[in-house]
Amino acid sequence: QVQLQESGPGLVKPSETLSLTCTVSGASVSSRNLYWSWIRQPPGKGLEWIGNIFYSGTTSYNPSLKSRVTMSIETSKNGFSLKLNSVTAADTAVYYCARVPVVAVVYGSFFDYWGQGSLVTVSS
Amino acid sequence: DLQMTQSPSSLSASVGDRVTITCRASQSIRTYLNWYQQKPGKAPRLLIFASSSLQSGVPSRFSGSGSGTDFTLTISGLQPEDFAAYYCLQTYNIPWTFGQGTRVEIK
Repeated sequence: QVQLQESGPGLVKPSETLSLTCTVSGASVSSRNLYWSWIRQPPGKGLEWIGNIFYSGTTSYNPSLKSRVTMSIETSKNGFSLKLNSVTAADTAVYYCARVPVVAVVYGSFFDYWGQGSLVTVSS
Repeated sequence: DLQMTQSPSSLSASVGDRVTITCRASQSIRTYLNWYQQKPGKAPRLLIFASSSLQSGVPSRFSGSGSGTDFTLTISGLQPEDFAAYYCLQTYNIPWTFGQGTRVEIK
């Protein structure tokens, strides 16, 4: 079955770069039928979409984060990564990776599989 | 950004109740609306996509409706495992945006 697993440091210092990897099993990040996404959730708060990446490397980012975000496909690891630079305490959150299947246009887009989440705390 | 307003922000209900949660978009999003359930400490789970399509494996007591700007998630016959937070998500425009969530609590 499809599984996604986030990994990376749980503590990042202010002004530094947050780096996370999502390792995928049961599906290929090289598939033309899938997008891959990052979503975050500050403790006790709601969900925020960060961005998507396609197997080709094509990305879509949330404009509120676009200047600080880089997403990449890591084919050799069957995964994808997130880098968020110049972090502040406001970036403290649980970071989720998720899968978006390419379906008929009428169905739009949706996250059908999620990782368990990785808490990243920004603190000195 | 396209704003998604969910109501209520929380509700108390009993097992067996019919529960309705609404989500209003600040502009038309056609039917590009999803619903997710999230339990404490867990990742969200897809319930409904394209406003009314039930995700595989989701119980039929969950249903969704709406188009344009107004959408509804209905739980017909609340079960103990349904006490959780629920979020809507629009994928019509970038940035994709979630509603602020509705917490369903035990009365």
